[in-house]
Amino acid sequence: SQQGEEDPQALSIQEGENATMNCSYKTSINNLQWYRQNSGRGLVHLILIRSNEREKHSGRLRVTLDTSKKSSSLLITASRAADTASYFCATEEAKTSYDKVIFGPGTSLSVIP
Amino acid sequence: DAGVIQSPRHEVTEMGQEVTLRCKPISGHNSLFWYRQTMMRGLELLIYFNNNVPIDDSGMPEDRFSAKMPNASFSTLKIQPSEPRDSAVYFCASSLNEKLFFGSGTQLSVL
Repeated sequence: SQQGEEDPQALSIQEGENATMNCSYKTSINNLQWYRQNSGRGLVHLILIRSNEREKHSGRLRVTLDTSKKSSSLLITASRAADTASYFCATEEAKTSYDKVIFGPGTSLSVIP
Repeated sequence: DAGVIQSPRHEVTEMGQEVTLRCKPISGHNSLFWYRQTMMRGLELLIYFNNNVPIDDSGMPEDRFSAKMPNASFSTLKIQPSEPRDSAVYFCASSLNEKLFFGSGTQLSVL
């Protein structure tokens, strides 16, 4: 079963523009993570935000979390062609005592040079 | 560290055959996950282990699927008998401090 739902499913932007992806989830969570997947490769962890945090930064990445709306957003600033990939949000449900991580369907990002 | 190692990288088999996928997690990681990725269903969690013990196998689609983790450095996912609808990319991931580290995946094609 999928916990998170990303929006949009696909996004195409020009190099240098900002890219924003959204994620909604259904149940209470311990944390929310964003991962990136290049074509034909495994997923790579980008950033983790805990349920008691509202915003987090890492380089050109900015993640926000609104637990009242059960939603998160990932902002990539000054995008580059190398940012072209699929981006997934993943949630660790609060009801589990173990780190059970469920992924959403992902957003496909294309950055045009 | 070499990261999570999966083998084989590609597997092509005929319907009805047994398929075994292998995974070596990162040393020191105490959780291991098996996921399946398809265009239609996205990333599905099949099973996860904590300290080599299967904790949740509710995502295993059918009895044809089984997974083992005999020790901290090795896990297998077996499909017997395989069917064309099992065709997908199967990922193994291990975790430390809540972050998952993925292998490169096994591309399985069942003809």
